[in-house]
Amino acid sequence: KQEVTQIPAALSVPEGENLVLNCSFTDSAIYNLQWFRQDPGKGLTSLLLIQSSQREQTSGRLNASLDKSSGRSTLYIAASQPGDSATYLCAVMRRVITQGGSEKLVFGKGTKLTVNP
Amino acid sequence: GAVVSQHPSWVICKSGTSVKIECRSLDFQATTMFWYRQFPKQSLMLMATSNEGSKATYEQGVEKDKFLINHASLTLSTLTVTSAHPEDSSFYICSARDRRLGRTLASSGNTIYFGEGSWLTVV
Repeated sequence: KQEVTQIPAALSVPEGENLVLNCSFTDSAIYNLQWFRQDPGKGLTSLLLIQSSQREQTSGRLNASLDKSSGRSTLYIAASQPGDSATYLCAVMRRVITQGGSEKLVFGKGTKLTVNP
Repeated sequence: GAVVSQHPSWVICKSGTSVKIECRSLDFQATTMFWYRQFPKQSLMLMATSNEGSKATYEQGVEKDKFLINHASLTLSTLTVTSAHPEDSSFYICSARDRRLGRTLASSGNTIYFGEGSWLTVV
């Protein structure tokens, strides 16, 4: 059974600081890994998607890495801003053979980030 | 970008009543929609996978008779919580896969879009 763990559960940093969020997963047989942002009481916004064959993806101040063999991913946020405050979710896409080959996203519990002005 | 709309955004209902949540893909057709539940400070947990024109596939531990899913068209899936109880109070969120894209499993992650979620409170 695939399990996704995110550390830390919460993080508070001053504005301008660079930070790293961690995600680990137990089964390396994944298709891809995604990082999402969730604002309080809201839906999910996809930030970055890394295919299983890739090592990293970058978008603006965000950089996500993937080490599939060790079951780890990191999300690096450069020059953090108060607007970055949100919960960041890591999710892996895996195949469900018993359900006709459909895919499932398995989520971690998230890291709640607070960037203080 | 693609938009998935959920309605209602929040709902309060009395214990024992049923409540329906809608998930619509606004500018694309979705052959597959997914329903998740999220309790406070917990992960999103997949409840069921909804395929257009066929029965939904439920995850282990999810009561199919309690959480009725109907995916009657390529743009609409509904989740009905029947005989709701306070322990059903949660954040329910759907996602939808664009049928035009994601033809390979490896790329399917690109084409899943999430709704804004629905808060259900059962009193």
